[in-house]
Amino acid sequence: DVKVTQSSRYLVKRTGEKVFLECVQDMDHENMFWYRQDPGLGLRLIYFSYDVKMKEKGDIPEGYSVSREKKERFSLILESASTNQTSMYLCASSPPGQGVGAGNTIYFGEGSWLTVV
Amino acid sequence: GENVEQHPSTLSVQEGDSAVIKCTYSDSASNYFPWYKQELGKRPQLIIDIRSNVGEKKDQRIAVTLNKTAKHFSLHITETQPEDSAVYFCAARNRASSASKIIFGSGTRLSIRP
Repeated sequence: DVKVTQSSRYLVKRTGEKVFLECVQDMDHENMFWYRQDPGLGLRLIYFSYDVKMKEKGDIPEGYSVSREKKERFSLILESASTNQTSMYLCASSPPGQGVGAGNTIYFGEGSWLTVV
Repeated sequence: GENVEQHPSTLSVQEGDSAVIKCTYSDSASNYFPWYKQELGKRPQLIIDIRSNVGEKKDQRIAVTLNKTAKHFSLHITETQPEDSAVYFCAARNRASSASKIIFGSGTRLSIRP
């Protein structure tokens, strides 16, 4: 059974703190993603990674960084948390696409609810 | 980059009626279009997907259609049931360098009235 695990489900952090959100997948997937989910805005892509030590910016990378030192682990880092980063964060993984028209299912973690006060 | 628009944001239908959710995308190179269902407090889960070489796909009460020329795709749920109440997200896959990132729509909250 597919598994994407986000170690922290609920966090409360103070403004200016450094925050680490950890995500581990056990499917040997090449692609991993971090999204944030806000009401009315859907799932917005922050960063994604297609290989170890490789990363690409998504649509809203400002204020975030990521780390992919091992294939199974993709970390999201808030260097200095701010109140506008209060949100639900979803990690996901998928296998690589294989040719034109191929699809690749994304598997999501349970989500991490972050409140910055 | 790719932009995915989804409508409506909320939808309420009588149990047994049909529900239709529509999405448009901007990048003509997008070639894979999944739909995800997120029940309250749970993670999004894939319910159906369609590839760019297919115009329509059905799975029991759920169907998706794709119009590549117009760059829009739709989710159709027939004979709706209470357990269909959830938030639904459409998405489009867009190739970026060596990876394929998936961009989501803003979601549709579907409510089924008994």
